Amino acid sequence: AQSVTQLGSHVSVSEGALVLLRCNYSSSVPPYLFWYVQYPNQGLQLLLKYTTGATLVKGINGFEAEFKKSETSFHLTKPSAHMSDAAEYFCAVFLDTGRRALTFGSGTRLQVQP
Amino acid sequence: DVKVTQSSRYLVKRTGEKVFLECVQDMDHENMFWYRQDPGLGLRLIYFSYDVKMKEKGDIPEGYSVSREKKERFSLILESASTNQTSMYLCASRPPGQGYEQYFGPGTRLTVT
Repeated sequence: AQSVTQLGSHVSVSEGALVLLRCNYSSSVPPYLFWYVQYPNQGLQLLLKYTTGATLVKGINGFEAEFKKSETSFHLTKPSAHMSDAAEYFCAVFLDTGRRALTFGSGTRLQVQP
Repeated sequence: DVKVTQSSRYLVKRTGEKVFLECVQDMDHENMFWYRQDPGLGLRLIYFSYDVKMKEKGDIPEGYSVSREKKERFSLILESASTNQTSMYLCASRPPGQGYEQYFGPGTRLTVT
């Protein structure tokens, strides 16, 4: 069975500080990994994804994530937080076996303090 | 750009009513999904469909059914709405193949009173 764990349901940072949102997955086969963002009263928007190849993936709005197979992690980072980054972030995994849908983590709400 | 639309942004229904949530995508995607989103639980898969008239249960199908008569449209049906089905419902679609992201609609916030 696949699962996704996001550590920290709420993260608060100051504007300009580093953003680090953690995601770990469990899978016995290579996964495809995704980060989505949800702004208030909106659907989910793709930030970035890892399928194959380079393990450091760059996404929109200055976010990036690194796939670390040995740690089964796919943490999301941004060097300098902006007020507009305040949102909920979801990590998701897709396995090319059986289940054909993304499995999501429980989400992390990011607050950015001025 | 892929566009996924949902019939209502907000919906209020009474316990016992039959509720239809409609989702339409404009990119000819084979795969379509219904999730519900609850605080602290993330998104949980209710049903998905990989072709017209084909459907598979997700993690929490109880109390729900789905219909896919046309490729672009995927409907979620609450046969007899209950208060524990008050939630945000998100529809998504995805093209066939590996490693593709799912495209989400704006969501329907359903309140059952």
